[in-house]
Amino acid sequence: AQSVAQPEDQVNVAEGNPLTVKCTYSVSGNPYLFWYVQYPNRGLQFLLKYITGDNLVKGSYGFEAEFNKSQTSFHLKKPSALVSDSALYFCAALNSGYSTLTFGKGTMLLVSP
Amino acid sequence: DVKVTQSSRYLVKRTGEKVFLECVQDMDHENMFWYRQDPGLGLRLIYFSYDVKMKEKGDIPEGYSVSREKKERFSLILESASTNQTSMYLCASLPIVPYNEQFFGPGTRLTVL
Repeated sequence: AQSVAQPEDQVNVAEGNPLTVKCTYSVSGNPYLFWYVQYPNRGLQFLLKYITGDNLVKGSYGFEAEFNKSQTSFHLKKPSALVSDSALYFCAALNSGYSTLTFGKGTMLLVSP
Repeated sequence: DVKVTQSSRYLVKRTGEKVFLECVQDMDHENMFWYRQDPGLGLRLIYFSYDVKMKEKGDIPEGYSVSREKKERFSLILESASTNQTSMYLCASLPIVPYNEQFFGPGTRLTVL
């Protein structure tokens, strides 16, 4: 069975500093990976995805993610955090059959002024 | 823009009541999904549908049923609501495009008293 792990329940970072939100995966076959963000009392918004190709994927709002096959990781990064980036972040892997997703438990990002 | 709407943002029901959660998408997507979101557990798939009148069980279907009579509408039904079904419920849709991201509605926060 596929699984996605987000080892940190919460990440704290000061505004202007770089941020990393970690994700590791266990899938059979090629990994197809996604990051979503959820602002308070809202649904999930798509940030970026890795399907194939360049290991550094760029997405919305200045976020990027680094795919590392040997470490089975897909960490979300941003060079300079904003207070408005404070939200709940989910990593997900596409299941075989290519329609359903397996989600991690989520990581709360708190950016302090 | 893709729009996924859910009938209620907040809902309060009593134990034993029959509860209907409605989801509508306006982009002619083939696939639709119902998730529940609980703190520390992430998103868990309840049911999904890949076509009208078709449904598949997800990871936690017990206590739920679904209905998809029209392509744009996917309903989640709690036949007899229980307190352990108090949760945030998220609907999503997905086109038949390889490796596409899912589009989420704003969520319904259901409280069962």
